[in-house]
Amino acid sequence: GAVVSQHPSWVICKSGTSVKIECRSLDFQATTMFWYRQFPKQSLMLMATSNEGSKATYEQGVEKDKFLINHASLTLSTLTVTSAHPEDSSFYICSPRLAGVPDTQYFGPGTRLTVL
Amino acid sequence: QQQVKQSPQSLIVQKGGISIINCAYENTAFDYFPWYQQFPGKGPALLIAIRPDVSEKKEGRFTISFNKSAKQFSLHIMDSQPGDSATYFCAASPTGTASKLTFGTGTRLQVTL
Repeated sequence: GAVVSQHPSWVICKSGTSVKIECRSLDFQATTMFWYRQFPKQSLMLMATSNEGSKATYEQGVEKDKFLINHASLTLSTLTVTSAHPEDSSFYICSPRLAGVPDTQYFGPGTRLTVL
Repeated sequence: QQQVKQSPQSLIVQKGGISIINCAYENTAFDYFPWYQQFPGKGPALLIAIRPDVSEKKEGRFTISFNKSAKQFSLHIMDSQPGDSATYFCAASPTGTASKLTFGTGTRLQVTL
C-alpha cells in the first residue's frame, strides 16, 4: 500500500498557541487531500478537502480561520490549528487520495494533539 | 441519505472463528466501498475495497460481500486471530477524485484465545 507520513505524531501545546501538522505522501502524488478529526472511540469526522494549489473546502461547522490548510504540492499538505484550545484536543488524520481507476484513499498515521 | 449504518458496535470472536461486520447505505450514487482497520493510536489502514460490479472480493482471510439490491455490504474475517483485534470502519463514496467518504460508526473487534 501507499506510504503516508504525518509529523509530529503527537504534540502537547499550551492554550492559545498554534500547531502545524505536516502530511506527506511518500510514494505517490495526491491530487486531493482530506483532513479528518477523530475523538476517542468515535468515527472519523471530515474537516476539509483540498486540491493541490487551490483553497480548501471546509465542512459545515469547521472554522476555516482556525484550521488553516495548505496543499502546497502533490506530496505535501499542512494543517495549522491556530490559537488552540483544550476542546481542539483530538486525533488529526490526513488522507491523500490517489487518483486512478479506481481512486484509492489512504490515511496517515495520525497526530495526537493535546492542548493544555 | 448520506449515512452508512454499521453493526455490530462491538464483537467478540474466538480465535479461529469468523468475524462478520455489516454495513448498509441509502445513497445509490455510492459506488466505492472500502473497509479500514484501525489500531489504537494509529490511522486507519485500507484493508479491502469493492465496487458494485462484483458481488464478492476476497483478499487472504478478508472477504467483502456486496448486495447491490439490498444496499448492503459486509466484511468477513475468516480464521480470526488475536492480531485482528482492532476497530473496523466501513465507508462508501461516489466516484470522483474529490468525492468524500462517508464512514460507518465503527466496530470494535476483540478476538479471544
